[in-house]
Amino acid sequence: KQEVTQIPAALSVPEGENLVLNCSFTDSAIYNLQWFRQDPGKGLTSLLLIQSSQREQTSGRLNASLDKSSGRSTLYIAASQPGDSATYLCAVGYNNNDMRFGAGTRLTVKP
Amino acid sequence: NAGVTQTPKFQVLKTGQSMTLQCAQDMNHNSMYWYRQDPGMGLRLIYYSASEGTTDKGEVPNGYNVSRLNKREFSLRLESAAPSQTSVYFCAIKMRQVTTDTQYFGPGTRLTVL
Repeated sequence: KQEVTQIPAALSVPEGENLVLNCSFTDSAIYNLQWFRQDPGKGLTSLLLIQSSQREQTSGRLNASLDKSSGRSTLYIAASQPGDSATYLCAVGYNNNDMRFGAGTRLTVKP
Repeated sequence: NAGVTQTPKFQVLKTGQSMTLQCAQDMNHNSMYWYRQDPGMGLRLIYYSASEGTTDKGEVPNGYNVSRLNKREFSLRLESAAPSQTSVYFCAIKMRQVTTDTQYFGPGTRLTVL
């Protein structure tokens, strides 16, 4: 069964701290992997997309890595800000139409 | 979430009632999806449509029907709502991004079944 797990479920850090969110998946035959941000009561916003042939992607203060052999991805957030507070979802694409989501990590950045 | 609209935003139903959730896109994409999101769980795919007139089951299709009568709209119907269908429902479209595909989500419909 294709399962996606995100640890920790919740994380609280002081402003300015660098942090890492983790995502693991059981089936390594992936098509791509995507990190989303979800604000309370809102939809999903795509942050970074890593193709199966890539090792990492960067956007501003965000860096996502992918290690297919170990079934892991990390999302690194540098110099965290209160505006980064949200739930971060990892989604693994197994083919063109099958995307499996983790339950998310709820991040709180305290001023 | 411009480009993918969902109606209604909120809905409360009684057990056994029926309703249709609407999703529309103005981005001319072929593939559309319906997901549900429950507390403590990731989004799960209910149904998807690869093109107008075609639909396929996802991970959790039981209790739902879908309709893709035209390219723009993809509707999700609950014929006899149950409390287990209380959830947040998201519609998404597939977009091409450089050399791979990504999904773009609507704002969601929050459904409560009493």
